[in-house]
Amino acid sequence: AQSVAQPEDQVNVAEGNPLTVKCTYSVSGNPYLFWYVQYPNRGLQFLLKYITGDNLVKGSYGFEAEFNKSQTSFHLKKPSALVSDSALYFCAVSLPNRDDKIIFGKGTRLHILP
Amino acid sequence: ETGVTQTPRHLVMGMTNKKSLKCEQHLGHNAMYWYKQSAKKPLELMFVYNFKEQTENNSVPSRFSPECPNSSHLFLHLHTLQPEDSALYLCASSRTGSPMVKLFFGSGTQLSVL
Repeated sequence: AQSVAQPEDQVNVAEGNPLTVKCTYSVSGNPYLFWYVQYPNRGLQFLLKYITGDNLVKGSYGFEAEFNKSQTSFHLKKPSALVSDSALYFCAVSLPNRDDKIIFGKGTRLHILP
Repeated sequence: ETGVTQTPRHLVMGMTNKKSLKCEQHLGHNAMYWYKQSAKKPLELMFVYNFKEQTENNSVPSRFSPECPNSSHLFLHLHTLQPEDSALYLCASSRTGSPMVKLFFGSGTQLSVL
């Protein structure tokens, strides 16, 4: 069965500092991996995805994520945080033969301190 | 605006009521989803419809009954709910079978069961 773990409920980062939001996954086979963001009173919005190829994936708003197969991780990163990055971030996984079954983690609240 | 519209935005119902949630997408997607979002829990995949056929029922209690009359519309019929069913219910859609697969979410229905 697929599963996603986001070990941190909340991450606090000072504005201008680099940020990392952690994600590990468990799946049989080669995964599709995703990050989504949720702002207050909104649904989730797609940030980036890893399908195959280069392990470093670049996405919206300056975010990037690194796929590490040996550690089964897909951490979200940004070199310099903005206050507007404060939101709830979700990691997700699916399999290529079941791309209609996308499983999410519990989310990590990112709080950027001015 | 994501192209996925959910109504109503808020719903308060008693345990003996019957109500329905509605979701509509005009993105030409073939798959539609219901997710349940509760605080500090993983986003829970409830149902998936792919080309109007149900492809996933994630052990959801029978008091939740989905309906997908066509690829653009998805309903969630609710009856005799419990207070623990109070949550944000999110609808999403996607085009499957493509490396570009990603979910587009509605803003959700905040459900309170009294």
